[in-house]
Amino acid sequence: GENVEQHPSTLSVQEGDSAVIKCTYSDSASNYFPWYKQELGKRPQLIIDIRSNVGEKKDQRIAVTLNKTAKHFSLHITETQPEDSAVYFCAANNQGGKLIFGQGTELSVKP
Amino acid sequence: DTAVSQTPKYLVTQMGNDKSIKCEQNLGHDTMYWYKQDSKKFLKIMFSYNNKELIINETVPNRFSPKSPDKAHLNLHINSLELGDSAVYFCASSKSYEGQPQHFGDGTRLSIL
Repeated sequence: GENVEQHPSTLSVQEGDSAVIKCTYSDSASNYFPWYKQELGKRPQLIIDIRSNVGEKKDQRIAVTLNKTAKHFSLHITETQPEDSAVYFCAANNQGGKLIFGQGTELSVKP
Repeated sequence: DTAVSQTPKYLVTQMGNDKSIKCEQNLGHDTMYWYKQDSKKFLKIMFSYNNKELIINETVPNRFSPKSPDKAHLNLHINSLELGDSAVYFCASSKSYEGQPQHFGDGTRLSIL
């Protein structure tokens, strides 16, 4: 069935380092891939998204890459800061409009 | 000026009770959703409405009944609450149901005693 696998489940980096979170999806019809950041006790917030007609998208320190052939997409955060610490979720849509979320990655940025 | 607002923020109640959670969006979106986030943080879609019409109905016990009186509102009624219903319930909305960013409310933390 539809599935989105996300790795790693936890990630700890030093302030200033880069962080990479990877996701794979199973539905070849998926064409929309958002990333959400959820701080403790808060709502998920969209930070960046990419559509299947684009291979890469960048917004300041955040970038997302998509490999449709391999059904992989990744989130890259450069020059990490303590305020980047949160749980990050990837997601992919299916034909019925449903968003299937990954299991989440808890990112910890140590000062 | 919250875009997606849900009430109440916290709900503590006894097993067996019936409760409702309300959601309203002022973004002019056509599609609204209910998600359940369990203790392991996993976000799972429960229901989705597009222009007041149910379009997604996941494998959810029929104790959960959504209602959309108009496209700006989506409420969730839960009958005979069970311990396993304890979770954070998020409402969300999007412009349409096809590949659009979803905006989440602040969540309702439901605790069953």
